Amino acid sequence: NAGVTQTPKFQVLKTGQSMTLQCAQDMNHNSMYWYRQDPGMGLRLIYYSASEGTTDKGEVPNGYNVSRLNKREFSLRLESAAPSQTSVYFCASSLQIKVGNQPQHFGDGTRLSIL
Amino acid sequence: RKEVEQDPGPFNVPEGATVAFNCTYSNSASQSFFWYRQDCRKEPKLLMSVYSSGNEDGRFTAQLNRASQYISLLIRDSKLSDSATYLCVVNPNYGGATNKLIFGTGTLLAVQP
Repeated sequence: NAGVTQTPKFQVLKTGQSMTLQCAQDMNHNSMYWYRQDPGMGLRLIYYSASEGTTDKGEVPNGYNVSRLNKREFSLRLESAAPSQTSVYFCASSLQIKVGNQPQHFGDGTRLSIL
Repeated sequence: RKEVEQDPGPFNVPEGATVAFNCTYSNSASQSFFWYRQDCRKEPKLLMSVYSSGNEDGRFTAQLNRASQYISLLIRDSKLSDSATYLCVVNPNYGGATNKLIFGTGTLLAVQP
């Protein structure tokens, strides 16, 4: 049982390049999330999808777009990468968003460097 | 003021020691609470949920004090394998209908042989 799978695990981009981070979960979860983690900042929510067909902004959405392709997949796109987007990106999922006591399950992250 | 605050540590303790972490949260309407563990360069993993009456899982005990808005995690008989960053996580219950979690920056624990 793979859980939450992210690709790629590592990526180096030049400023201005675009790329899409992929995330898929096989736990039949309704809600999915994208976070970034920076030293001293903790995990910050970029975008989330409460259910298939819906997406909403989180705390730090600027410079990113997302697509909830189907129930399993939630992608994060950087249209024009900037050095400030150098970070570790985590995808997570939870059973549903409207029930408070739902833990989130994380993928193993994508380490992204923007030169 | 940060929504979730933790002492960053590091906490350096010998094997077998008991160590306690505290965490404070700012939103009194917060409904659910968790402790996550994150190993170096790995993803966060759920350690335990925190219930109002307090709960225990083996060597780990979590407690919630709603009046003072803090959460604690107690680790007894520390093992080398407990070395990790411990993240305090709160659901602030924005609008009463979300599962958007707020993560603390974590407390680093280093258990020494």
